[in-house]
Amino acid sequence: DAMVIQNPRYQVTQFGKPVTLSCSQTLNHNVMYWYQQKSSQAPKLLFHYYDKDFNNEADTPDNFQSRRPNTSFCFLDIRSPGLGDAAMYLCATSPQAPQETQYFGPGTRLLVL
Amino acid sequence: QKEVEQNSGPLSVPEGAIASLNCTYSDRVSQSFFWYRQYSGKSPELIMSIYSNGDKEDGRFTAQLNKASQYVSLLIRDSQPSDSATYLCAVNLYPGNNRKLIWGLGTSLAVNP
Repeated sequence: DAMVIQNPRYQVTQFGKPVTLSCSQTLNHNVMYWYQQKSSQAPKLLFHYYDKDFNNEADTPDNFQSRRPNTSFCFLDIRSPGLGDAAMYLCATSPQAPQETQYFGPGTRLLVL
Repeated sequence: QKEVEQNSGPLSVPEGAIASLNCTYSDRVSQSFFWYRQYSGKSPELIMSIYSNGDKEDGRFTAQLNKASQYVSLLIRDSQPSDSATYLCAVNLYPGNNRKLIWGLGTSLAVNP
């Protein structure tokens, strides 16, 4: 089945220790998104790629970076995690069509000690 | 300011009843509307998408869109305990190559056996 896969599902890191979260998709969608979601809050868009075109949200901290080496994979790098970065990180994809339904992976739960 | 508003709930209904979830949005340009279901600790799952005024039915779910009044609703018939979750309303803006969804905070639904 075509799907969005995120690894790892749970990640524990230490304060200030860099961490990388990964996302892969078999949907062949052009657009990939990274969201941060904290408890009882709406998903917060960090950035998205339209093909290789990177689009950063104005309020995304510099501590967050992303890479998309090919259509199938996208990575979220947190250079120096702080306690406030503990959250669920969601990867989503959508096709190029204008109406842009987004399909989510299972998420990665990040804990910062 | 583009906003999507939902009642946070919790909305509590007995098993077998109709659950009615509402969402209002502020931007008249909005064209695509989505309902996602999110179980605690899980990622959002697409329930319905709707693009034109009127009703759209899929099984026990009916989405209703009224662009003049700027609201979209989700009806769940014959509610089941497994429907207990947070329901997120999301609105997409286009044209303009805007590939971002604007999210509501979600309505928590509890279906009581």
